[in-house]
Amino acid sequence: QKEVEQDPGPLSVPEGAIVSLNCTYSNSAFQYFMWYRQYSRKGPELLMYTYSSGNKEDGRFTAQVDKSSKYISLFIRDSQPSDSATYLCAPHSKGSSNTGKLIFGQGTTLQVKP
Amino acid sequence: NAGVTQTPKFRVLKTGQSMTLLCAQDMNHEYMYWYRQDPGMGLRLIHYSVGEGTTAKGEVPDGYNVSRLKKQNFLLGLESAAPSQTSVYFCASSYSDGTRSSGNTIYFGEGSWLTVV
Repeated sequence: QKEVEQDPGPLSVPEGAIVSLNCTYSNSAFQYFMWYRQYSRKGPELLMYTYSSGNKEDGRFTAQVDKSSKYISLFIRDSQPSDSATYLCAPHSKGSSNTGKLIFGQGTTLQVKP
Repeated sequence: NAGVTQTPKFRVLKTGQSMTLLCAQDMNHEYMYWYRQDPGMGLRLIHYSVGEGTTAKGEVPDGYNVSRLKKQNFLLGLESAAPSQTSVYFCASSYSDGTRSSGNTIYFGEGSWLTVV
C-alpha cells in the first residue's frame, strides 16, 4: 500500500460547482497536511496546509483533515476556470519535517469548464 | 526574486549518455530535493539533502546520483541514461522554522524535461 493515495482523475466540473478533492494516507504519524497546486508545465506551489485535525478555510478553499480515518479533503467553492490544475496532497510528520523526506500523492487533475 | 532555478529546461539524450541537472536556490534553504513526475505516478522523490555535504535516497534512487557541495546547489546526475528515465524532473527546496504548526513548505523549480531515446 502506498503511503499516500489520490484519485488521479481527471475531474471535470462546470464553472461555479463545488469541488471535492480527496487523499488517503497510511502513516498515523502524519501531523501536517499540505495541498499543492500545479498548473500545466509549471512546478507545484503551496496552496494551503493544516496542522493536525480539523478544518481550515482560505477564501474559496477549505482543507479538512480526519485523522481517525486518515482522510484529507480539499473543497473548492464557486470553482473558476483558473482553478483548472493538478492538486497534490503532501501529508508529513514532524520527523519528516526534520529529515526532509517528503512524499506526495499522485495528484488529481481538475478541469473547470466555463 | 529567482527562488529555485533548474538548468537545462529541455534535453534529449541517447541511451547510455550521461548528464547532470543543476539546481540552484537563493533562499538559503537547508533542505533540497529532486523529484521526477510521470503520468499517473505523481511526484516521486529521487534523492534529497538536509544540508551541505549530505544526501539521502528517496523512493526511486536507482540510476541517479546527487551531490550537494554548496548549500545553494543540488546536482542530479544520470551516469548512463535509459529510456525509463524519460520524465519531468523537479528540484525543490524547503526550510522548517521549527514552530509546531509550520510544517515544511516546499518551493519548486519550473521543471526540466528530459527525453532519453
